[in-house]
Amino acid sequence: NAGVTQTPKFRILKIGQSMTLQCTQDMNHNYMYWYRQDPGMGLKLIYYSVGAGITDKGEVPNGYNVSRSTTEDFPLRLELAAPSQTSVYFCASIWDLKETQYFGPGTRLLVL
Amino acid sequence: GESVGLHLPTLSVQEGDNSIINCAYSNSASDYFIWYKQESGKGPQFIIDIRSNMDKRQGQRVTVLLNKTVKHLSLQIAATQPGDSAVYFCAEFKGFQKLVFGTGTRLLVSP
Repeated sequence: NAGVTQTPKFRILKIGQSMTLQCTQDMNHNYMYWYRQDPGMGLKLIYYSVGAGITDKGEVPNGYNVSRSTTEDFPLRLELAAPSQTSVYFCASIWDLKETQYFGPGTRLLVL
Repeated sequence: GESVGLHLPTLSVQEGDNSIINCAYSNSASDYFIWYKQESGKGPQFIIDIRSNMDKRQGQRVTVLLNKTVKHLSLQIAATQPGDSAVYFCAEFKGFQKLVFGTGTRLLVSP
């Protein structure tokens, strides 16, 4: 298994541009998450999904959108990039509640 | 608001010493806690977890202690090695599948 994969690894955006951060897991996990991590800080939950077709907001959802059309994929969409969205984005998945979360390698995003 | 925090931002130890990383949490209803290790440029890696019906749990070279009375969590690393250098996060399981992460403690291990 490849585990949780994320693309791209790094991206520079101009203010107002849009992009989609991709996340895929091949472990047939029901639960998937998107976090952001600002420098020197812990992770903050943006959105999560408990299964295909079901998504919900986390702590910091503003400025982001998600979809979950399949079990494997959980893309994160930024519609109008802002400097405040400069961060490292991590995707994670688990099989069941309170099991270990598997994190992807992260996407570093810089908005200028 | 509810939060999970850490007492020390940086901890420097000598190789071979035991390390103790502390964490305070504020939600007395939390029933599951996880310690993660994050190396530079990588995602968090699970180290050990503990549920609220336990006071102590041991892994390989690591021990987590939970004191529910004072809402305090600690991670003990025995015989710290240079490979243990990383940022360590405690995370509190809050509600339905929501992990709340603390700020993190950077552990520096010198030879």
